[in-house]
Amino acid sequence: DAGVIQSPRHEVTEMGQEVTLRCKPISGHNSLFWYRQTMMRGLELLIYFNNNVPIDDSGMPEDRFSAKMPNASFSTLKIQPSEPRDSAVYFCASRTGSLGEKLFFGSGTQLSVL
Amino acid sequence: GEDVEQSLFLSVREGDSSVINCTYTDSSSTYLYWYKQEPGAGLQLLTYIFSNMDMKQDQRLTVLLNKKDKHLSLRIADTQTGDSAIYFCAKPGTGNQFYFGTGTSLTVIP
Repeated sequence: DAGVIQSPRHEVTEMGQEVTLRCKPISGHNSLFWYRQTMMRGLELLIYFNNNVPIDDSGMPEDRFSAKMPNASFSTLKIQPSEPRDSAVYFCASRTGSLGEKLFFGSGTQLSVL
Repeated sequence: GEDVEQSLFLSVREGDSSVINCTYTDSSSTYLYWYKQEPGAGLQLLTYIFSNMDMKQDQRLTVLLNKKDKHLSLRIADTQTGDSAIYFCAKPGTGNQFYFGTGTSLTVIP
């Protein structure tokens, strides 16, 4: 398996623009997580899905952020409109629902909002 | 929610042992994990321990678990410059959630 695949690897955009980050989880994994990492706040969980259903989105910063998982092999995280304080590395991760199963991370999307 | 805490920085000389510590508040997990993040990369699973174990050794890595004190540690023997990275402890919570520590940045001085 190719692992968790995220795209794009890097995104540079201007304030006010819409940003869409994409994730393909590992096949067979039924839980998917979106994290954000910054120097100031470390690793923060934004939202996670079980079987394509959002379970906990309490980490989503505000209404400008939205996440979808239309099927088991694809998820998006959208920021609209983007702001400079959204600049961070965004990670997608997936795991099976089995007890003890590990969490596997993608390589992340480095987002810079100018 | 769960609190998982780590010290932020650790600096060691090449060849010495490194010990990275982690404390947590909820003892209900069955597994505890250590992840490694190298610069510009995602988190990679390094090792893990089942909660009914006190110690697990894997080559240069030794994981110690003190359930009474809710304390987890990762010891890296003969630390190399390639071990410089951020190390996260992590534990599952309810509903498939994963809780991560703040991460410990390990710097290995040649």
